[in-house]
Amino acid sequence: GAGVSQSPSNKVTEKGKDVELRCDPISGHTALYWYRQSLGQGLEFLIYFQGNSAPDKSGLPSDRFSAERTGGSVSTLTIQRTQQEDSAVYLCASSFRSGSDEQFFGPGTRLTVL
Amino acid sequence: AQSVTQLDSHVSVSEGTPVLLRCNYSSSYSPSLFWYVQHPNKGLQLLLKYTSAATLVKGINGFEAEFKKSETSFHLTKPSAHMSDAAEYFCVVSDRPGNTGKLIFGQGTTLQVKP
Repeated sequence: GAGVSQSPSNKVTEKGKDVELRCDPISGHTALYWYRQSLGQGLEFLIYFQGNSAPDKSGLPSDRFSAERTGGSVSTLTIQRTQQEDSAVYLCASSFRSGSDEQFFGPGTRLTVL
Repeated sequence: AQSVTQLDSHVSVSEGTPVLLRCNYSSSYSPSLFWYVQHPNKGLQLLLKYTSAATLVKGINGFEAEFKKSETSFHLTKPSAHMSDAAEYFCVVSDRPGNTGKLIFGQGTTLQVKP
């Protein structure tokens, strides 16, 4: 079956512009996670969805970052007024349930802010 | 709070020799621990996981890890390295309490395999 997909695979934007990153989880997976991978910070958690609700947003670095999930499926991560420090690979993962279920990761979106 | 420390940022072995990637964890709770692998320009893939069953966990591609509570360690081993094992390896702990599944990653160990 299809795995987790993310789009776009690469995004280059100018400082100050808004960007939207999309994640399509595996069908039937109720839990969805966003992570960020950058050279300086390693891999860090951003936000967790259970269904359409986000009980844990503790990893969002600033109020410029937001995310939503609709229909218990697709999720969009939005970064407003992008800054150069937002440059990173944004990874999405999904699991059948939350907890210790295996998380399946997408290939990521590489964001470059010029 | 949970955390993991990978003791080596870079490990180099010769093909056919054993692999040891070291990881120590810190947790106030009984932890769920994982090893993930990331090949160049590929997504993260689960190698194995420990969730309080057997302390010796076998994973894919011949890898295994042993949970040692007394040493707070979860080292990853493989008896014989293959060229295709060259990748970045992450030791990971699942956050508690709440058990949301939020993963906390170590800094990663780059495994180089020499012919």
